[in-house]
Amino acid sequence: DAKTTQPPSMDCAEGRAANLPCNHSTISGNEYVYWYRQIHSQGPQYIIHGLKNNETNEMASLIITEDRKSSTLILPHATLRDTAVYYCIVRKVETSGSRLTFGEGTQLTVNP
Amino acid sequence: EAQVTQNPRYLITVTGKKLTVTCSQNMNHEYMSWYRQDPGLGLRQIYYSMNVEVTDKGDVPEGYKVSRKEKRNFPLILESPSPNQTSLYFCASSRRLAGSTDTQYFGPGTRLTVL
Repeated sequence: DAKTTQPPSMDCAEGRAANLPCNHSTISGNEYVYWYRQIHSQGPQYIIHGLKNNETNEMASLIITEDRKSSTLILPHATLRDTAVYYCIVRKVETSGSRLTFGEGTQLTVNP
Repeated sequence: EAQVTQNPRYLITVTGKKLTVTCSQNMNHEYMSWYRQDPGLGLRQIYYSMNVEVTDKGDVPEGYKVSRKEKRNFPLILESPSPNQTSLYFCASSRRLAGSTDTQYFGPGTRLTVL
């Protein structure tokens, strides 16, 4: 699975949009981009995923560049409860064992 | 409510005393997995199971056993725990590679300390 690069930390003001970048320059054509988050020591929580089109759900939006080498997770109106470590994961769906390889992620702190 | 449950949530034990951490899911998922999380090392997969009676090693299986006798349960067994198994453990489940939507659902975690 392709390696991802994320900034180690970011801050955001409550009520503002949080834009979390992820670089995955070695992504291949059959690899998806997944985002999970982990609120302090809780189990990771799925947020969103996509292949090449932008995606939106009730939690967030995912913007994938046309060359698919990077993506941005957008939390449109961040709240204090969105403070968490956000993981960008790239993987093939057919990967044996369906293992998720978590990197270090981005610690997002939402400030009042 | 769809969920993955783990028990116990917290456990302090001593070296060599066998223990089992249970994991159960109510979503009829085929795939289940165990991860451990350690500072600076992220989440690493221990074992996984693609279906009943089908299990396989992940990245760090040494010192652990699993079984999958029923679809909903996937216990993690430490036959002879050692201090280097002190960690935060997560169980996860998902449908089995069903296209691109096999998102994994994680349990709340079990914090294990081996003295």
